Order: sequence, then structure tokens, then C-alpha cells
Amino acid sequence: EPEVTQTPSHQVTQMGQEVILRCVPISNHLYFYWYRQILGQKVEFLVSFYNNEISEKSEIFDDQFSVERPDGSNFTLKIRSTKLEDSAMYFCASTRGWGNEQFFGPGTRLTVL
Amino acid sequence: KQEVTQIPAALSVPEGENLVLNCSFTDSAIYNLQWFRQDPGKGLTSLLLIQSSQREQTSGRLNASLDKSSGRSTLYIAASQPGDSATYLCAVREDGGGSNYKLTFGKGTLLTVNP
Repeated sequence: EPEVTQTPSHQVTQMGQEVILRCVPISNHLYFYWYRQILGQKVEFLVSFYNNEISEKSEIFDDQFSVERPDGSNFTLKIRSTKLEDSAMYFCASTRGWGNEQFFGPGTRLTVL
Repeated sequence: KQEVTQIPAALSVPEGENLVLNCSFTDSAIYNLQWFRQDPGKGLTSLLLIQSSQREQTSGRLNASLDKSSGRSTLYIAASQPGDSATYLCAVREDGGGSNYKLTFGKGTLLTVNP
């Protein structure tokens, strides 16, 4: 069964560094999302992406963050100048159509030291 | 602002018991509602999606109901098994006329099924 994949599974970085989290959505899906979950807290929406542009973003998704679909298969989240509070599990998700079921990847655990 | 609440926060039951997990949301103008399962340190596995026009959805031992007007959904698990132990998350997608993309999540119910 097709699934969303994410790499790396765990990323450790120093405060102030830039990280890129990678996702490969399900191949025939058209809508892509990033969410994050700080330890012990709710899963929070960051951004959605469709037709090569951001379709919606949360107040969390400020200038520190950016997303890109560099080719036909990958979807990336870049976090510039990481802060301690960016430490969280980051999930990528995709859907075939706008209102369809969202399928999530296994997540990347980001630890900022 | 949409708020999703799940009760109880934790539930422990003996194997074989039927159980109900509850989810409530503050804004009834939703497009759909999705139930997920999350194992410790893992990703989210989609269990069921209910569209706003539907009353319930079934998959195997799982049955999810939706009462949109009262802002409630329940997940019924029949004949629970130790392998059902996980955190169950409820998430809603608001009906914003096609401009809303995000899911808003509850904090989840941690289910433990004891052998």
C-alpha cells in the first residue's frame, strides 16, 4: 500500500543552524502538508501546499520556515536559524483531493541543542 | 477558533471490552472529521474519515459516529485487544468554502488494553 515517507527519522542540530526535512508524498496525491507535535502537546498545522504554492499557513509558519517541491516526488520543509523551541516531531501528510483523507508519514524528530 | 477536546484523556480496559472514545468540537461548520491512531514515538495512522453529511463510518471493529449539529463524534471499538493500545486522535477540517486545508487536532485519548 502506498505510504508517505520522511527522512531523516531523527535530526539533531545546534541552535541557529538550518535544517531541511524531507518528505515523499504518495505518488498520485496533489495536496501536501506539514504539521508538528511538540512533546506532550497537540498536533499543530503548519502549512499546506498545492499547485506549487502555499495554500494555507498557520501563525507558527513565519519567515523562519519555507517549503518547496523541488521535483516531482519530494516535498521539503526548511527551518532557518533553529531555536530550542523548534524541537518537535514534524509530520508530512498528503491527500489526493482537497477534502480527502489525509495520510501522514512516520515523522522526523527534530532536536535542537 | 476551532477547539477540539477529547475525553477521557486516558482509559484502561480489560481485553475483550467494548469501549467508546469521545471527541467534541466547538465550531459545527466542519467539512469532515478524521480519527487517527498514534503509537508511541510514531506517526499517525488514519482509521476513519467521516464527511459532514454522514452519520457514521465503520471499519472492522471500529465504528465512528458524527453528530455535527451538537459538535460531537464518538469512536466505538468492539472487543478490544492489547494491540489496540495506542493514543487515538480526533481531527476536524473546517468548511471554509474550499479555502480551509488544515486539520485541527484534539490532544488524544491514551488507550491501554490489558491482557
